[in-house]
Amino acid sequence: DTGVSQNPRHKITKRGQNVTFRCDPISEHNRLYWYRQTLGQGPEFLTYFQNEAQLEKSRLLSDRFSAERPKGSFSTLEIQRTEQGDSAMYLCASSLGFLGPSRNYNEQFFGPGTRLTVL
Amino acid sequence: KNEVEQSPQNLTAQEGEFITINCSYSVGISALHWLQQHPGGGIVSLFMLSSGKKKHGRLIATINIQEKHSSLHITASHPRDSAVYICAATSGTYKYIFGTGTRLKVLA
Repeated sequence: DTGVSQNPRHKITKRGQNVTFRCDPISEHNRLYWYRQTLGQGPEFLTYFQNEAQLEKSRLLSDRFSAERPKGSFSTLEIQRTEQGDSAMYLCASSLGFLGPSRNYNEQFFGPGTRLTVL
Repeated sequence: KNEVEQSPQNLTAQEGEFITINCSYSVGISALHWLQQHPGGGIVSLFMLSSGKKKHGRLIATINIQEKHSSLHITASHPRDSAVYICAATSGTYKYIFGTGTRLKVLA
């Protein structure tokens, strides 16, 4: 399967614990995005990378959140000292990220998400 | 006010009905996307539009740039079309700005 993969698919943790999620994008994609989706809402942007550079972070990404993409391939999203309000679906997406008249360079392909429940 | 708004939030239809979901946006965009999300979270891209109209099977998407409005139409709806349909706008930074989604249920 050459789509976007995320692990784990589900995570249940206790308040105050740290959690880390992984995203493996489509291999030739150089842009990677993280979004958060709470129940009944559309996803909200958290951050994105072009190769290994983190180019934009949402104000939703508090100092308890950190994202990395060390080699420009897979990415990790860590949440420290989890709170019940962090319970959500965390979605990863990737895109080609280069200009090309015949390519949908901006089209994002989404992973299945990691559902986090903080008790 | 959200930058991307959808209506209706919930929609129930009988099999065979023609369905329209609307999306309005207030930001300048480079593209407007329609996506489908099934229970469990997986999001699939249906259309990416910058102008005019696109058709794929029973799905049609239109956009009016001047009015900052897009519609997704489903002809001859079927219970398997039941899902959440989300519109999203992209601008210069390429991140998606999502609407809240329309939960569609098609009854047999």
